[in-house]
Amino acid sequence: QVQLVQSGAEVKKPGASVKVSCKASGYIFTSYVIHWVRQAPGQRLEWLGWINCGNSNTKYSQKFQGRVAMIRDASATTVYMELSSLRSEDTAVYYCAKSLQWLHPPFGSWGQGTLVTVSS
Amino acid sequence: EVVMTQSPAILSVSPGEGATLSCRASQSVSSNLAWYQQKPGQAPRLLIYGASTRATGVPVRFSGSGSGTEFTLTISSLQSEDFAVYYCQQYDNWPPYTFGQGTKLEIK
Repeated sequence: QVQLVQSGAEVKKPGASVKVSCKASGYIFTSYVIHWVRQAPGQRLEWLGWINCGNSNTKYSQKFQGRVAMIRDASATTVYMELSSLRSEDTAVYYCAKSLQWLHPPFGSWGQGTLVTVSS
Repeated sequence: EVVMTQSPAILSVSPGEGATLSCRASQSVSSNLAWYQQKPGQAPRLLIYGASTRATGVPVRFSGSGSGTEFTLTISSLQSEDFAVYYCQQYDNWPPYTFGQGTKLEIK
């Protein structure tokens, strides 16, 4: 079965960067994209972007363009999401998710989430 | 960006009764609409996609309807495990894919 296992919680200072990993298993890694979604306290779910695990192409939400980078390591079936210039509003749980089909939602599988806390 | 608006924000229902949750899109999203259930401390779980198709393993008491800008998630005969927060998501107009603000279904 599909499994997405994320790295552990992080605490960062404003201005720093954070890198979250998502290890995938149970399917052909290079045949799908992985999306990243975050959930700030009391806020709605927010889509950050996706990475094509086959060719490393990416598509980011305009809101995060310039601050987010997604890369993949096919040999390790792992995707990484790095968010830079962190501010307090970036405090959230970050999820990786896989679509039922190749690219677009719906998201049939989710990682367990990684809490990123930005605090001085 | 398509704005998704859910109503009500909180819905109080007794176990065994039915519940109807609404989701409205700021522009047509055709049938490209999904519903998710989220319990505290857990990732969202896909319930419905294509506005009305149940995901694998989802009980038949969950049903979705609608198209264009108006969508409904109906849960018949609520079980204790159904009390959670429900989100809708559109995937017709992107980027970005957008979610509603959620409806909390609580025990009355």
